[in-house]
Amino acid sequence: DAKTTQPPSMDCAEGRAANLPCNHSTISGNEYVYWYRQIHSQGPQYIIHGLKNNETNEMASLIITEDRKSSTLILPHATLRDTAVYYCIYSDSWGKFQFGAGTQVVVTP
Amino acid sequence: GAVVSQHPSRVICKSGTSVKIECRSLDFQATTMFWYRQFPKKSLMLMATSNEGSKATYEQGVEKDKFLINHASLTLSTLTVTSAHPEDSSFYICSAHLQGRVDIQYFGAGTRLSVL
Repeated sequence: DAKTTQPPSMDCAEGRAANLPCNHSTISGNEYVYWYRQIHSQGPQYIIHGLKNNETNEMASLIITEDRKSSTLILPHATLRDTAVYYCIYSDSWGKFQFGAGTQVVVTP
Repeated sequence: GAVVSQHPSRVICKSGTSVKIECRSLDFQATTMFWYRQFPKKSLMLMATSNEGSKATYEQGVEKDKFLINHASLTLSTLTVTSAHPEDSSFYICSAHLQGRVDIQYFGAGTRLSVL
């Protein structure tokens, strides 16, 4: 079973920031949080990962709470091409991912 | 960046035939690859873990004789759906594990299998 909880859907206006929350209250101290997205009929695309500190790359920013029980993925300026299902995941001790339902993000003009 | 190629992207076959799907890591070596299955409007479901040079590890409920996995080299894993039936129609996706301190998986584009 998936170990993370995300809202099922979210709408965002083009050009605005999209903040995607994720709860992972059972995460252990040395497990990373990974974010992926899946555009319709394609394989998931890696976005970003983090452990304790906030992270930023060319795609997004990741804010992790101090207790590590939740995180927020931030798409700073959403475009229509950011419409996708976004998954928040952490792996088990064998490196396996259990995907939850994710958040369907729809960016509107 | 890390690139994973999956082939074919789409296959249509008759019931009873076998179909082979290839997953290649193009610019890195992957001792571990994963195979997923996805039904329409559903999330990815892990089927099996493919380990180079050893037998695959299947998730509970996945028939190992139905879904044959071979990981003969550090850059290639194959999934063969044997004696395919219409209920095997699905979107199959592979990933390659870039090992290290961080367990990042890079995914192929997926294979749409339709069994008539």
